[in-house]
Amino acid sequence: DQQVKQNSPSLSVQEGRISILNCDYTNSMFDYFLWYKKYPAEGPTFLISISSIKDKNEDGRFTVFLNKSAKHLSLHIVPSQPGDSAVYFCAARGNFGNEKLTFGTGTRLTIIP
Amino acid sequence: DAGITQSPRYKITETGRQVTLMCHQTWSHSYMFWYRQDLGHGLRLIYYSAAADITDKGEVPDGYVVSRSKTENFPLTLESATRSQTSVYFCASGLTEAFFGQGTRLTVV
Repeated sequence: DQQVKQNSPSLSVQEGRISILNCDYTNSMFDYFLWYKKYPAEGPTFLISISSIKDKNEDGRFTVFLNKSAKHLSLHIVPSQPGDSAVYFCAARGNFGNEKLTFGTGTRLTIIP
Repeated sequence: DAGITQSPRYKITETGRQVTLMCHQTWSHSYMFWYRQDLGHGLRLIYYSAAADITDKGEVPDGYVVSRSKTENFPLTLESATRSQTSVYFCASGLTEAFFGQGTRLTVV
């Protein structure tokens, strides 16, 4: 039972345009959401997060949007740069005994120069 | 250096052998995790630990054993390796934002 889903295995975007990566979750107990970026042969690195009490969090070129009613979050990267080419994982966690991170299957983003 | 380190980075072992993957963190994080990454499955949690001497199963714990006698170390043991355990294994520490090691690529032949 996949509680965190990333339905697009891959995405290609022209350099300078906006990249939008999507993530859906099923567990209503999740209250904190994160995005990780992963390059080949490296461990995932934390990118940005959002608490369930917010609907938007911004950090430079990266913005995460959360729609709790739809159980959906998205990561916007603008403008996209070649160094953004990587696999992006969405993750979620709850609290009070459910603190472990549950990850999606990842989306491979390729930025076309 | 501060951080989280995994060893070895690469390992080839034979079916049926016992293998231990090491994980060491210098932040004194309470929480530590072991994940495996497989194509089409993303990162799946094997075991996690909330503190020394406290461990709990994740999504795919069968065939694995963990221990946590010290806060900084969280070794993962494959008691009798199988080909299905060929994977890339990641250790992580931290709670709000987990920090990951570089990974161990394990091949079981």
